[in-house]
Amino acid sequence: DAGVIQSPRHEVTEMGQEVTLRCKPISGHNSLFWYRQTMMRGLELLIYFNNNVPIDDSGMPEDRFSAKMPNASFSTLKIQPSEPRDSAVYFCASSYDGTVANTGELFFGEGSRLTVL
Amino acid sequence: DQQVKQNSPSLSVQEGRISILNCDYTNSMFDYFLWYKKYPAEGPTFLISISSIKDKNEDGRFTVFLNKSAKHLSLHIVPSQPGDSAVYFCAAGANNLFFGTGTRLTVIP
Repeated sequence: DAGVIQSPRHEVTEMGQEVTLRCKPISGHNSLFWYRQTMMRGLELLIYFNNNVPIDDSGMPEDRFSAKMPNASFSTLKIQPSEPRDSAVYFCASSYDGTVANTGELFFGEGSRLTVL
Repeated sequence: DQQVKQNSPSLSVQEGRISILNCDYTNSMFDYFLWYKKYPAEGPTFLISISSIKDKNEDGRFTVFLNKSAKHLSLHIVPSQPGDSAVYFCAAGANNLFFGTGTRLTVIP
């Protein structure tokens, strides 16, 4: 089975440009999470969806960040305009309620490394 | 404010010895506690978990201990192997997970 698929793996852009990160969760999973990894804060939860509905977006740093999940198999995280301090690795993760009830486990993609110059 | 804290950014251990990684959390409502392992350029992978109704869970060389009164959990790896060298993230939560900042474990051959 394919795991969580993220694209692009690496993105280098200039300050002020729009960045779109994409995620395909594991088929059958009904929860999707976007995390950002930085040295200072580790893995920060940005937003999570359950059954395509945003449940908690309190971790989204500011209005420049937005996330959508138009269907069960696709989500995007958009940054517009991007700034150098947005440079980080962005991870998408998915799970289904049965897993969460048993172990709380999330399945992560390989991440998208964003560099904003 | 960090709800899950890992106060040791790094740990070095000799091969064959025990590795002990520690984690503290602040929210007494958390139901699940997990450890993830992360290699460079890869996503975190699940290692072991424990629910709030237990105080110990063991899986081979890995054991997780939970002390709810102290809001503390730890991961013991024994014996440690060079392949265990990675960054270990502690996570806790209920419907969603909060992660610590990670501890980089280096197992010296």
